[in-house]
Parts: sequence; structure tokens; C-alpha cells
Amino acid sequence: GAVVSQHPSRVICKSGTSVKIECRSLDFQATTMFWYRQFPKQSLMLMATSNEGSKATYEQGVEKDKFLINHASLTLSTLTVTSAHPEDSSFYICSAPRQGRGNNSPLHFGNGTRLTVT
Amino acid sequence: EDQVTQSPEALRLQEGESSSLNCSYTVSGLRGLFWYRQDPGKGPEFLFTLYSAGEEKEKERLKATLTKKESFLHITAPKPEDSATYLCAVQAGDTGRRALTFGSGTRLQVQP
Repeated sequence: GAVVSQHPSRVICKSGTSVKIECRSLDFQATTMFWYRQFPKQSLMLMATSNEGSKATYEQGVEKDKFLINHASLTLSTLTVTSAHPEDSSFYICSAPRQGRGNNSPLHFGNGTRLTVT
Repeated sequence: EDQVTQSPEALRLQEGESSSLNCSYTVSGLRGLFWYRQDPGKGPEFLFTLYSAGEEKEKERLKATLTKKESFLHITAPKPEDSATYLCAVQAGDTGRRALTFGSGTRLQVQP
């Protein structure tokens, strides 16, 4: 069964509004979670690393003020797309490694959030 | 910079027609190479992790192999339900970075 839950699965919003996406680890604690973005027929591109209890680490070219990440607990990370614009429309996916399985444990992914900004 | 290149971009097979997908990579000290399956509108589903050259792993009709420069995902006698996008990803060991770098995937379609 699913070990990472992501919500909502799809959202449509108007340009200029903000959207929050939640990512939960279901039966394990995750001090680190990763947020990816995927455009149609393209690869998953890492946006940022979410760290419980500290600031997120953003990849080069990703605006930290636009994509706000909060890792409030050991099982929850949120991504807020602020002042969304049509070019932010994409498939956003979170992932987390299971604790206690070493640094090369596989990442488990949520089912993604399809964001459409009109 | 870590790089992953997958080929072909798309592959159409008849049911029962075996084939292989390729993943070429360059990485700063490979910690692991991962294969995922992704269905449309879904997140990637973990298939295999390979750690060192010469390693092989199997699951049902799928078999993954690894060399120092590439990995293959062999699909034996595929069925229509094997239709999906198959993603290859690497984790670098030298940097301590846990995030994965993904290839663009191979879109596999198996026709009955």
C-alpha cells in the first residue's frame, strides 16, 4: 500500500492565488522530504529538499519566495505555491526515504498533485 | 553534474515480444541506481535498486542489470499491463546528496 500520501490530487486555481499541497509519510517518520516537478513527457526535476525543524534547501533556479516549504512535523511537509501563474501549472510530486534504511534506501513517492492555473 | 539518459524515448511492443530499455549515467560516485514505473497521473512506483556493477535483480517479467556506465531493464514476454513509463534515477555517493537525479523515461506500450 501507499507509504506517502499527497493531497490534493488535482487543483485548479486562478492566477494570483496561492495553493498549498500536503505530503505525509504514513507509517514512518521522515526528517527529509523532497519536492519534484514534472512537465508533460519530461523528467522529474528536483525543486527543493524539505528538512524537519530547519529551512528547506532549494535547487538553483527555484524561487524560494514563490515555493514556500514547511516541514512542521516528522510526517508532514507542505509546499505552497504563492501568487500562482499559468507557467506554474505542472505535476508536483513529493517523496520521502524511509527512516532507518540507510542513505540509499529508495524514495517512496506520493501520487502527485496536478496544478492548473487559469 | 549528475546526468541520466534513457533510450528509447518510446517503445511499442506486441504482447510477448521481449525487449530492453537503456539507462546511461554519469554520477559522482554511484551510491545507487533506481528503476521506477510511473503510470499516467500517478507518482513513481519503486521497482529496483542496484548498487554495484554486475548486480542483477528480477521481479516477475522485469530484470535490471548494471554496469559502470549503464543499466538495462529487460522485459520478458510483456503483457499489456506492463504499459507505463519506466524511469531510471541515480543517487550520488560523493556528495552525500540523498535526492535522486532522474532520466526522462521510456514510455512503453504493450499491445495485445
